Amino acid sequence: DVKVTQSSRYLVKRTGEKVFLECVQDMDHENMFWYRQDPGLGLRLIYFSYDVKMKEKGDIPEGYSVSREKKERFSLILESASTNQTSMYLCASRRSIGKLFFGSGTQLSVL
Amino acid sequence: SQELEQSPQSLIVQEGKNLTINCTSSKTLYGLYWYKQKYGEGLIFLMMLQKGGEEKSHEKITAKLDEKKQQSSLHITASQPSHAGIYLCGADIGGAQKLVFGQGTRLTINP
Repeated sequence: DVKVTQSSRYLVKRTGEKVFLECVQDMDHENMFWYRQDPGLGLRLIYFSYDVKMKEKGDIPEGYSVSREKKERFSLILESASTNQTSMYLCASRRSIGKLFFGSGTQLSVL
Repeated sequence: SQELEQSPQSLIVQEGKNLTINCTSSKTLYGLYWYKQKYGEGLIFLMMLQKGGEEKSHEKITAKLDEKKQQSSLHITASQPSHAGIYLCGADIGGAQKLVFGQGTRLTINP
C-alpha cells in the first residue's frame, strides 16, 4: 500500500514562528500536493510539485513556501505563522495522473 | 472563487432515501475524483471518472461524468447511517497537473 506520512498529527505554534510541515511518500510518485482544509471551504490547494525542485502555486500560496529537494519528500513552510493559518493541512501524492493518496493530516494551531 | 462548485453544501436525508450530490466546473474536466471523509478522519477514495459519459458504481453509490465533461453527480441509493460524512469532488482541470477540490457536501442521515 502507498504510504504518505506527515511528520506531526497536532502542532501548536506561536504567531511569527517559522513552521515546517514535512511529508514523505514511499511510492516514487512524481506529483505531491499541499492542501489546507477548513470547514465549509473544502480542500484548498496551496502548492504542488510535479518533479524534484519544481513547484507550482496553487490557489492560496500567500504566506507559504515549499521545498522538494528529494522525490519522496515535500515540505510546507510557513514563513511567519499567523492565526489565520490555523487549519488542517493535508499532504497528498500521485503519479502524473490518477487518484491522490493522502496523509493523515496535521492540525496546526497558531496562537 | 472555486473552480469546482459542489451542491448542495449540506444535505439532511431520512435513512432509506436516495440523494444526489453535484459537482460542476466551467472548464473541461480531465479526471474527476470522489472522496468521502468521516468526521475527524482521513479521506477515503470512492471513484475516479475520466471519460465523458462514464458511470461507475460501488455498493449503493453511483457516480457519473456527463458527456461534455463539465459536471459529475454522485448518487446514493437507499441511504444508511454509514453514508454520513463529507463528500468531496476533485478534478484535473484544463489539462493541468494541479488537482483542485470543491467545497464539499456535508451529508447527515437521520434514522
